Amino acid sequence: QQQVKQSPQSLIVQKGGISIINCAYENTAFDYFPWYQQFPGKGPALLIAIRPDVSEKKEGRFTISFNKSAKQFSLHIMDSQPGDSATYFCAASSGANNLFFGTGTRLTVIP
Amino acid sequence: DAGVIQSPRHEVTEMGQEVTLRCKPISGHNSLFWYRQTMMRGLELLIYFNNNVPIDDSGMPEDRFSAKMPNASFSTLKIQPSEPRDSAVYFCASSLNRALVGYTFGSGTRLTVV
Repeated sequence: QQQVKQSPQSLIVQKGGISIINCAYENTAFDYFPWYQQFPGKGPALLIAIRPDVSEKKEGRFTISFNKSAKQFSLHIMDSQPGDSATYFCAASSGANNLFFGTGTRLTVIP
Repeated sequence: DAGVIQSPRHEVTEMGQEVTLRCKPISGHNSLFWYRQTMMRGLELLIYFNNNVPIDDSGMPEDRFSAKMPNASFSTLKIQPSEPRDSAVYFCASSLNRALVGYTFGSGTRLTVV
């Protein structure tokens, strides 16, 4: 059973546009929600993370929005650039337990 | 810091052969994870170690897979005998205190079994 459900599977955005990737979870014990970015031939790398005590976290052009009541969180990439083209994974964990990853979203930013 | 180091980067082997993948975690990290990534199944956790001790190997697909961590700076994932369906990218990741501060992944080993 997929602990974290991610959508869409793939996304194509024009340069300068906003990319939005969504994730949903059921386990209310989850208290850590990171996003990972993976370029071809590389391992996933931690991009940004949020804990449920805040509803939003922003780092540069990347923002996580968190809706605790809906058990959803999303990644927004503002002013998307071709260099942002990668696969993005959401994940969730509780306490010091292991991360559960979503299935990934392949983002393509068209120049 | 050199990050998590995996070797080899690419491995092509014939069905039935033994394959050994290697990982050197980041110094000081006390948790190590082996993942398998395929297009069909995404990132699958195979096994993880905490302080060199295997904690959960429920993700290991079959008895053909085994993993060891003889010390804090080295781990191996072995497949014996290998099969074509084992073809995937295998990632090693390490962290300090598991998920509290995120994982650092290696660059992976692309395994092709023909």
